[in-house]
Amino acid sequence: DAGVIQSPRHEVTEMGQEVTLRCKPISGHDYLFWYRQTMMRGLELLIYFNNNVPIDDSGMPEDRFSAKMPNASFSTLKIQPSEPRDSAVYFCASSAVVDIQYFGAGTRLSVL
Amino acid sequence: GENVEQHPSTLSVQEGDSAVIKCTYSDSASNYFPWYKQELGKGPQLIIDIRSNVGEKKDQRIAVTLNKTAKHFSLHITETQPEDSAVYFCAASRSGAAGNKLTFGGGTRVLVKP
Repeated sequence: DAGVIQSPRHEVTEMGQEVTLRCKPISGHDYLFWYRQTMMRGLELLIYFNNNVPIDDSGMPEDRFSAKMPNASFSTLKIQPSEPRDSAVYFCASSAVVDIQYFGAGTRLSVL
Repeated sequence: GENVEQHPSTLSVQEGDSAVIKCTYSDSASNYFPWYKQELGKGPQLIIDIRSNVGEKKDQRIAVTLNKTAKHFSLHITETQPEDSAVYFCAASRSGAAGNKLTFGGGTRVLVKP
């Protein structure tokens, strides 16, 4: 299997623009997680899905952030409008069973 | 909620020496404790995990120990090699019907000097 696939790997945008990050989980995995990694706050869980249904979005920082999982093989994390403080590395992870999570390579987002 | 503290934040060791990273957690209901290794430009990769019904687990040069009473767990790397240089994260969660949210420690940057 190719593992968890995230796109794009790097994104540079200007403040106020909409940003969409994409994730393809490992086939057969029924949990999908979105994380944000910064030097100041480390790895933070933003939201996770089970069988395409959002289970816990308590980590989503603001209403500017939204996530969807329209089917078992695709999820998006959208930031609208983006702000410089959103600059971070965003990771997607998936798991087939409870606990063991496999991470993608991440999307490095820079908001100017 | 769960809080995981990890120490040290940086660790420099000579090749061949051992490295130890320690974590403490706050939620006594946590029962799953994975360790992840993150290399530059990559996502975290699971290297070993331990569940609360086990006190110790070993896989070649790495081992984890868990002390439920004290609520701390540790990662031990023996005979370190340059390829062990990376950032290591511990995490804790309650597994089962309540979900499997991982709470991560702050990370330890390990540098193995040749």
